[in-house]
Amino acid sequence: DGGITQSPKYLFRKEGQNVTLSCEQNLNHDAMYWYRQDPGQGLRLIYYSQIVNDFQKGDIAEGYSVSREKKESFPLTVTSAQKNPTAFYLCASSNIRGVDYGYTFGSGTRLTVV
Amino acid sequence: QKEVEQDPGPLSVPEGAIVSLNCTYSNSAFQYFMWYRQYSRKGPELLMYTYSSGNKEDGRFTAQVDKSSKYISLFIRDSQPSDSATYLCASLDTNAGKSTFGDGTTLTVKP
Repeated sequence: DGGITQSPKYLFRKEGQNVTLSCEQNLNHDAMYWYRQDPGQGLRLIYYSQIVNDFQKGDIAEGYSVSREKKESFPLTVTSAQKNPTAFYLCASSNIRGVDYGYTFGSGTRLTVV
Repeated sequence: QKEVEQDPGPLSVPEGAIVSLNCTYSNSAFQYFMWYRQYSRKGPELLMYTYSSGNKEDGRFTAQVDKSSKYISLFIRDSQPSDSATYLCASLDTNAGKSTFGDGTTLTVKP
């Protein structure tokens, strides 16, 4: 079945540590996105990419980095510069060249700082 | 001011009630409008999307867009306990290539 796979489901980070969240899709979608969701809040865009080897900052990019070396993969690194990283992270993809602009989301990664 | 504002809720209704969920948007560049449903600790799933003003129906769900007033609504008829979730509205600017989401409304349907 086609879809988006995020791993791990739960991640614990120590202070000062960088961690990388994985996002893989087999939908042949061109665009991929990373969102952060805090309790009681909506989705805030961190980074997005519409083609391989190109990506743009979203509304809250500080303390995060991404790469898009393959169409199927869009990993997110949470760096030690991100002061409050505890949150639910969602990866999504969409077919921007088609007529269906809706996003397909992964099941999320819950990151906790310990 | 946020580009997409959503009625915050939470909303609690008895089973069988008609539910109305509402959003407004401010960016005239938004062309497509979506509703997503998110169950607790899961990723959102796309329910419906619309392009033009008017209504779009899918089973018990009706999405309504009024571009003149920049108003988006989702109606749920004959609500069921399984409809209990957080509902997110979103607006897409195809030129920018990204969607902007409302903060979500949490709905509880009581048996």
